[in-house]
Order: sequence, then structure tokens, then C-alpha cells
Amino acid sequence: SQKIEQNSEALNIQEGKTATLTCNYTNYSPAYLQWYRQDPGRGPVFLLLIRENEKEKRKERLKVTFDTTLKQSLFHITASQPADSATYLCALNSGGGADGLTFGKGTHLIIQP
Amino acid sequence: ETGVTQTPRHLVMGMTNKKSLKCEQHLGHNAMYWYKQSAKKPLELMFVYNFKEQTENNSVPSRFSPECPNSSHLFLHLHTLQPEDSALYLCASSQGGGGGPARETQYFGPGTRLLVL
Repeated sequence: SQKIEQNSEALNIQEGKTATLTCNYTNYSPAYLQWYRQDPGRGPVFLLLIRENEKEKRKERLKVTFDTTLKQSLFHITASQPADSATYLCALNSGGGADGLTFGKGTHLIIQP
Repeated sequence: ETGVTQTPRHLVMGMTNKKSLKCEQHLGHNAMYWYKQSAKKPLELMFVYNFKEQTENNSVPSRFSPECPNSSHLFLHLHTLQPEDSALYLCASSQGGGGGPARETQYFGPGTRLLVL
């Protein structure tokens, strides 16, 4: 069956360092992959989308990589700040159209001052 | 904030009650979704509507009944729920209509926190 794995343990990072989050998937051939941020008691907020034919995408302090051979995406936050503390969700969609997304459990990131 | 509103934000209901969750999007999108988020589990897709037509029902029990009267509004009617249905119910919308993955970025509402007693 299709599976998305994110390191579900909390990730503690010192302020100013780079945080790296991992998303691995199996039995899946996603056309694109998305990363969302979710704060407690709120809905997820879209951050970045990367297509299957793209290796890397950047937006300000955020960087996403996508390796379809390894079936893995890495999400980096450089120069991390306490305000970056949140749960980060990886989501996949196999095709075009309004299919809905399949989400991982998310990684809880804590940036310590 | 995202252009997607949900009401109520919190709901407590007994197992014999009937209630409805409402979602409204002000983004001019054509696709709307219901997701369920339980503690320690990933978001689970429940229903998808595209141009008011239901295109996906992800094996959801019949005690959950969606309704999409137009592209801006989505309801989830609840009837004889079980305690294990207690969760955060999230509504989302996307531009939809094909044309590439950028149109499938989803915008979520704040969710309805449901507790079934």
C-alpha cells in the first residue's frame, strides 16, 4: 500500500542553524510534492510545491529537494528562528486535477533560542 | 486569513444528534475538500468536489454526508456519530480544473474541532 513517512519525533534545532526535514514515500509515483506548515489549532498553510522533473525549489529561507529515484524529499529551513517552530507536513498527489492530497504525519520542529 | 472559513470552530455532540459543518471559500476556486485529522494520525482525505460534483469518496462511513450546493460552499452533515469520530475536520479548496499542479495548491480553513460524547 502507499505510504509516506516523515520523522514523527520532534526535531530540536538551535536558532540560526539549518533544519532539515525528511519525507520518504513508497509504492507511489507522485507527479508533484508539496510542503505545508501547521500551527496548533490551525489548518495547514502551503509553503512550497516541487514537480517530479524538478530537483530543487527555493523560497526565501526555504529549500526543497525531490529525488524520485530515492523516493525522498528534503525540506530545509536556513537561519532558523523560534517563529519557525511548527509541524511540517509533506503531501503527495499522483496526478493532475482535483484529486486531493495524501499527507504524512508531519514532523514537529522546535527552534530553541 | 486564507480565504476559507469554517463554522462552527468547536462542536460537542451526542451520538444521536444531527449536526452540520459549514465551509465557505472566497477565493473563486472550483474544487473543495473535506479532511479528517485525528491525534497522531496523518490528515485523511474524506471527500472531493470539483465544479460541485463529488469526484472522490474515500470509503467514508455513511454517517458522514457531504453537500456542495455551489463552488463556494461545502457542508458536512453528521448523523449518529461514534466517539472515535472525534477529530479536527478541515475544509480546503484549490483552483482545480486541471492545467498543472500549481492549481492544486490547497488552501485550508481553520477547522472544526469535533467532540462526540
